[in-house]
Amino acid sequence: DAGVIQSPRHEVTEMGQEVTLRCKPISGHDYLFWYRQTMMRGLELLIYFNNNVPIDDSGMPEDRFSAKMPNASFSTLKIQPSEPRDSAVYFCASISGRQGGTGGNEQFFGPGTRLTVL
Amino acid sequence: GNSVTQMEGPVTLSEEAFLTINCTYTATGYPSLFWYVQYPGEGLQLLLKATKADDKGSNKGFEATYRKETTSFHLEKGSVQVSDSAVYFCALTSGTYKYIFGTGTRLKVLA
Repeated sequence: DAGVIQSPRHEVTEMGQEVTLRCKPISGHDYLFWYRQTMMRGLELLIYFNNNVPIDDSGMPEDRFSAKMPNASFSTLKIQPSEPRDSAVYFCASISGRQGGTGGNEQFFGPGTRLTVL
Repeated sequence: GNSVTQMEGPVTLSEEAFLTINCTYTATGYPSLFWYVQYPGEGLQLLLKATKADDKGSNKGFEATYRKETTSFHLEKGSVQVSDSAVYFCALTSGTYKYIFGTGTRLKVLA
């Protein structure tokens, strides 16, 4: 399996521009997570989906951020308009919940997208 | 609510030294506990896990024991290598697949 795929790996944009980050989870995984990582705030959960439905978006910082999962193999995280404080590494991760159990399943992370907003 | 507290870094050790990174948790019910590792420029990857009390997770010479009485899951390795330099995250799940991560501990191993 190719693992979780994210694109682009690096994005440099100017303040005010729209940014779209993309994620392809591992095939068959039914949970998808978006995280943001910065030196100041560490690793933050932004939103997660189960079977393409958003379950918890309480970590989305503000209305400028939106996430969608139109099908089981694709998700986007959009920032519009972008601001310099959005500069961070954004990770996508997925889990298979179909193995059962009570949440002890491994979460697989993508390589991340490093976003720089000038 | 559920939470994870791990020791502040950075931790700097000489090669072959003994490593301990402390992790304690607060959770309702019976959480599953994890250690994830992040190498420079990469995403997090699972290092080891334990899903019930007294279980010991182990991988690549690292170990951690699920201690319910002390609500702890400390990471240990008997002899660290330069290649172990990374950031280590303690985490839990409790009843859902939403992970609660600690703040991460940076380990630097000197040759």
